[in-house]
Amino acid sequence: ILNVEQSPQSLHVQEGDSTNFTCSFPSSNFYALHWYRWETAKSPEALFVMTLNGDEKKKGRISATLNTKEGYSYLYIKGSQPEDSATYLCASRNNNNDMRFGAGTRLTVKP
Amino acid sequence: DAGVTQSPTHLIKTRGQQVTLRCSPISGHKSVSWYQQVLGQGPQFIFQYYEKEERGRGNFPDRFSARQFPNYSSELNVNALLLGDSALYLCASSLIGEQYFGPGTRLTVT
Repeated sequence: ILNVEQSPQSLHVQEGDSTNFTCSFPSSNFYALHWYRWETAKSPEALFVMTLNGDEKKKGRISATLNTKEGYSYLYIKGSQPEDSATYLCASRNNNNDMRFGAGTRLTVKP
Repeated sequence: DAGVTQSPTHLIKTRGQQVTLRCSPISGHKSVSWYQQVLGQGPQFIFQYYEKEERGRGNFPDRFSARQFPNYSSELNVNALLLGDSALYLCASSLIGEQYFGPGTRLTVT
């Protein structure tokens, strides 16, 4: 994998559903993996930074895992709420401090 | 504490013109990075500055240039604007690793 890829591109879920999406990134020269939450007309908000293989981070109903050997990270949202609707961006940072972003997963949570 | 600020919020220019975008980092942050985000794509890295020196450059033509001032604020300049330069330009500041984004400047080139 040369670029950061996110899937799915968009996702529509009902309030209360749990959901997850994937970020794939180049595993060579890896330093850190960032997840951001980006609401329309606002700045991207940092959710997690993970560096070690097997890292798991949690913030409220949102959690993330990291596999640096195979180059992927999962973001999980438990019991989705309408306010979770946003674009979720991941970015991979390498040892040269170069950050590459995925195109994002656009999540819509319907009440 | 004020977050990262950018100005202007919106800008309309015509092809061939030049534009300057401004960014003020969070107080104490010495690193500023610039990104271009075209609709439907993730932000693309343009430049990173640290302590007034360029530390990284993305795959953008020489029409794009930037600088960082002694107070760590930064300007992004784009010359000879093309229609394809229409995008949201994001600035992010950081102290150690984690980046904090500004609201962006929406540039429209007609």
